[in-house]
Amino acid sequence: DVKVTQSSRYLVKRTGEKVFLECVQDMDHENMFWYRQDPGLGLRLIYFSYDVKMKEKGDIPEGYSVSREKKERFSLILESASTNQTSMYLCASSWGPGGIGSPLHFGNGTRLTVT
Amino acid sequence: AQSVTQPDIHITVSEGASLELRCNYSYGATPYLFWYVQSPGQGLQLLLKYFSGDTLVQGIKGFEAEFKRSQSSFNLRKPSVHWSDAAEYFCAVGARSGGYNKLIFGAGTRLAVHP
Repeated sequence: DVKVTQSSRYLVKRTGEKVFLECVQDMDHENMFWYRQDPGLGLRLIYFSYDVKMKEKGDIPEGYSVSREKKERFSLILESASTNQTSMYLCASSWGPGGIGSPLHFGNGTRLTVT
Repeated sequence: AQSVTQPDIHITVSEGASLELRCNYSYGATPYLFWYVQSPGQGLQLLLKYFSGDTLVQGIKGFEAEFKRSQSSFNLRKPSVHWSDAAEYFCAVGARSGGYNKLIFGAGTRLAVHP
């Protein structure tokens, strides 16, 4: 079974802090994604990566950056956390080039609160 | 622009009753369609997917969905709901947008099951 592991279930950070959310997958998937989930808005794509050292902006990249130095690890970085970044963050991975045909495998999420 | 609409935010059914969750999409080409389920405190799990062929697709946990091109719909059904089906359900369409492939999610439908 594919396992996508997010390093923290809950995080509480202060405004202005630099925040790192870590995600590791164990199935050698090419594609990795970061979403944020907010009530009534569903899942919105922040950043994604189709290969090591490759990254692309999703729909809501402002205030975020990512890093993918190894195939199995995809990190989301909040450069200067703000209260409007309080949310549930979901990491996902999938197999295959290009991304839309193969199902996503999700981690259990990190609930981030910025105070 | 591509979009996914789940008209029902909350649905409550009695255990043993039938269930239909609605999903409408907007996409010019033949879509890849997915249903995911999110149990409390968990990430999303794939229930079923449609790429082509038979428009009635079977998934896990006794769920099925029917693709109707004329109605741009991909409704999820289950003949007899169990209490463990209480969760949030997300419809998604795989689409090419902004020069890359991605999944576009609906806002979700939260299902409550009465004993």
